[in-house]
Amino acid sequence: GAGVSQSPSNKVTEKGKDVELRCDPISGHTALYWYRQSLGQGLEFLIYFQGNSAPDKSGLPSDRFSAERTGGSVSTLTIQRTQQEDSAVYLCASSPKGDHGPQHFGDGTRLSIL
Amino acid sequence: GDSVTQMEGPVTLSEEAFLTINCTYTATGYPSLFWYVQYPGEGLQLLLKATKADDKGSNKGFEATYRKETTSFHLEKGSVQVSDSAVYFCALSDRTGGGNKLTFGTGTQLKVEL
Repeated sequence: GAGVSQSPSNKVTEKGKDVELRCDPISGHTALYWYRQSLGQGLEFLIYFQGNSAPDKSGLPSDRFSAERTGGSVSTLTIQRTQQEDSAVYLCASSPKGDHGPQHFGDGTRLSIL
Repeated sequence: GDSVTQMEGPVTLSEEAFLTINCTYTATGYPSLFWYVQYPGEGLQLLLKATKADDKGSNKGFEATYRKETTSFHLEKGSVQVSDSAVYFCALSDRTGGGNKLTFGTGTQLKVEL
């Protein structure tokens, strides 16, 4: 079956531009997570969606970052006015529900800010 | 807040050697513990997990035991293979604060040589 799908796989953009990263979770998974993997910070939690509940945004590093999840499925992570420190691999994961079940990760989007 | 500490890499071993990667954690509640693996050019994959004290997770010859008294979850394998070369991440999820977000260690790169 299909795993977590992320697009694009690579994105290069100029400083100051906005970017949108997409995540298509495994069908039927109600929980969706975004993480960031960067050289200086390791793997960091960004945001968590569970069903129709209000998302946990506690990991978003600044108000330039936002995320939406439409229809309980696809999610988009938006970074406005990108900065060089935003360069990282952005990972999406999903799990059947928001318990201690394992999270299934996509291959990530490698974002490079010039 | 929650944190995970794992040994610095890279760890370089000869094939068939014994592997230990140390992991200790700090959490406010009763976390579940995980080891994830990232093979070269691939996404994060769950390797094994344990959800309560004294549980042992195992997969592909790897084992880790949840030790509450020492707040540890060390990864072990009796005989490593070249194909085990990867980056290994220890992680915890703690529902105390709500949600199921993962807190990761910094990762340990393992290189296995013939």
